[in-house]
Amino acid sequence: NAGVTQTPKFQVLKTGQSMTLQCAQDMNHEYMSWYRQDPGMGLRLIHYSVGAGITDQGEVPNGYNVSRSTTEDFPLRLLSAAPSQTSVYFCASSEQGNQPQHFGDGTRLSIL
Amino acid sequence: SQQGEEDPQALSIQEGENATMNCSYKTSINNLQWYRQNSGRGLVHLILIRSNEREKHSGRLRVTLDTSKKSSSLLITASRAADTASYFCATLSGGSYIPTFGRGTSLIVHP
Repeated sequence: NAGVTQTPKFQVLKTGQSMTLQCAQDMNHEYMSWYRQDPGMGLRLIHYSVGAGITDQGEVPNGYNVSRSTTEDFPLRLLSAAPSQTSVYFCASSEQGNQPQHFGDGTRLSIL
Repeated sequence: SQQGEEDPQALSIQEGENATMNCSYKTSINNLQWYRQNSGRGLVHLILIRSNEREKHSGRLRVTLDTSKKSSSLLITASRAADTASYFCATLSGGSYIPTFGRGTSLIVHP
């Protein structure tokens, strides 16, 4: 099993551009989530999903969209990139809400 | 907003010594989880302790939970250079589906 796979690993964008960060898991987990990690801030939850077709906002959702059309995939879309969105983004999945999370290796995003 | 807060923010020790990290939280929880993050990598789950448990062990790791003080500790015994990483606690509160992470403790173990 590959676990949680995030692509791309690195990306540089210009302000105003849009892009989609991909996340896929092959463990048939129902719960998936997106975090951003900034120095000194720990991990902050952006959006999460408790199953296909169901998404909800986390702590810092502004500027990001998500969808969950399949159990396996949970893409994160930046609608109009801003320098404040420069960060490392992590996708995670878990079998149930009270179970440990499995993390991808992150996407390092720089916005100029 | 962070639910759990780790202490200390940074810890530097010699190989062979024990490392203790603490996590304090504000509201009642269902469980508390500890994760490790090596530089440039994603987080890896270490131990999950439920609110009705007081202590759990996994190899050289020992986690305690004191719900009356709303705190947890992670002890790594006989530290190795390979234990160098950041350690995060994450709390899952009632009604929540996704745990909330603290800011982490950066541990450096010198060979």
